[in-house]
Amino acid sequence: RKEVEQDPGPFNVPEGATVAFNCTYSNSASQSFFWYRQDCRKEPKLLMSVYSSGNEDGRFTAQLNRASQYISLLIRDSKLSDSATYLCVVNPRGGATNKLIFGTGTLLAVQP
Amino acid sequence: GAGVSQSPSNKVTEKGKDVELRCDPISGHTALYWYRQRLGQGLEFLIYFQGNSAPDKSGLPSDRFSAERTGESVSTLTIQRTQQEDSAVYLCASSLGFTGGYTFGSGTRLTVV
Repeated sequence: RKEVEQDPGPFNVPEGATVAFNCTYSNSASQSFFWYRQDCRKEPKLLMSVYSSGNEDGRFTAQLNRASQYISLLIRDSKLSDSATYLCVVNPRGGATNKLIFGTGTLLAVQP
Repeated sequence: GAGVSQSPSNKVTEKGKDVELRCDPISGHTALYWYRQRLGQGLEFLIYFQGNSAPDKSGLPSDRFSAERTGESVSTLTIQRTQQEDSAVYLCASSLGFTGGYTFGSGTRLTVV
């Protein structure tokens, strides 16, 4: 089983739609969680950290469910500029290491 | 500097040649990471440097790959006797310490012909 698994998509949604991505992780001891965004032929960029209590940044909401070992990202009022690959990222060990494991990503295409 | 800087941005090399890729992390970032991304694939961990600790080399795919880091600054990733399957974007990232997300450089696109 992969350490981090995501639906590769693509998710094709119209502008203004709400879209949600889920990601599961295998190590219950995982400590920290992130969502990254990667545009085509560009480097990944940190979108937001994911906290146990859930967190929101504008149109983006991230949630963590430790019991079920999944992380979600909700995007409201989708924009054309949201089209990208969204990477779920986990630190499976925490403690004295910050080695992050990246999921293979979910492709979002927002249509006009 | 303001961001993570990688050089060269593109490298085309002949099979069997050695290549050296360079990464300048954000000033003050104690941790530095190398990842590889093949076309259409996810990020593959290669190696991780944290301060003066022994590096985590668990992701290096073969003994043709090696990396060095001078203190908490520049790192070089060396690939010896390159093969076509080494063609990929090599991404370097840095972070402040044991926690937190990374900041990536724009990568080196390596093509082995």
